[in-house]
Amino acid sequence: SAVISQKPSRDICQRGTSLTIQCQVDSQVTMMFWYRQQPGQSLTLIATANQGSEATYESGFVIDKFPISRPNLTFSTLTVSNMSPEDSSIYLCSVVGRGSLDTQYFGPGTRLTVL
Amino acid sequence: GQQLNQSPQSMFIQEGEDVSMNCTSSSIFNTWLWYKQEPGEGPVLLIALYKAGELTSNGRLTAQFGITRKDSFLNISASIPSDVGIYFCAGQRDFGNEKLTFGTGTRLTIIP
Repeated sequence: SAVISQKPSRDICQRGTSLTIQCQVDSQVTMMFWYRQQPGQSLTLIATANQGSEATYESGFVIDKFPISRPNLTFSTLTVSNMSPEDSSIYLCSVVGRGSLDTQYFGPGTRLTVL
Repeated sequence: GQQLNQSPQSMFIQEGEDVSMNCTSSSIFNTWLWYKQEPGEGPVLLIALYKAGELTSNGRLTAQFGITRKDSFLNISASIPSDVGIYFCAGQRDFGNEKLTFGTGTRLTIIP
């Protein structure tokens, strides 16, 4: 399985500011995703990070609020823009490695608290 | 978005007991996955199931892919303290469409 790191691991931010979260993988992967996990809840997919093109967002998530970049096959960023307390969550990136039965592995997450 | 229904929502068991949890869906999935999440960590993959009816083991863990493709269960035998955590099922509809739909989670607590 791929080794996935996220930065920062946690942050406390002020309302109205933006935070960019980085996801780095130690090997090239075919697909990268971003999830949100609200306190005490399950994981919800935000978007698929597409290499070299715009991300594909799930219903309820928009690019203006969660801009995503994926410049290459090992790196992606998620920005949480104009934050409010409701954005306080754990944000996780996940990857699918190469191979027909490779499945999805998750990073350690970024715990965001918005005051 | 859709979430898979997991039960029970939480479990309190004594060390050494067996654990059983399940996951159901109103629609078909072609892959079922089971993850475990500990505090401050991302989910860790435990077992992946790719065929209806498949029964797969990983140590003390056993999972099955339901024949209808709408459910899956996970068993843990002879539980130990490090089994504590939240267990999530996840369904994937198709190869080539790797988006996962997650279950609501089962929180496992072991009573000493």
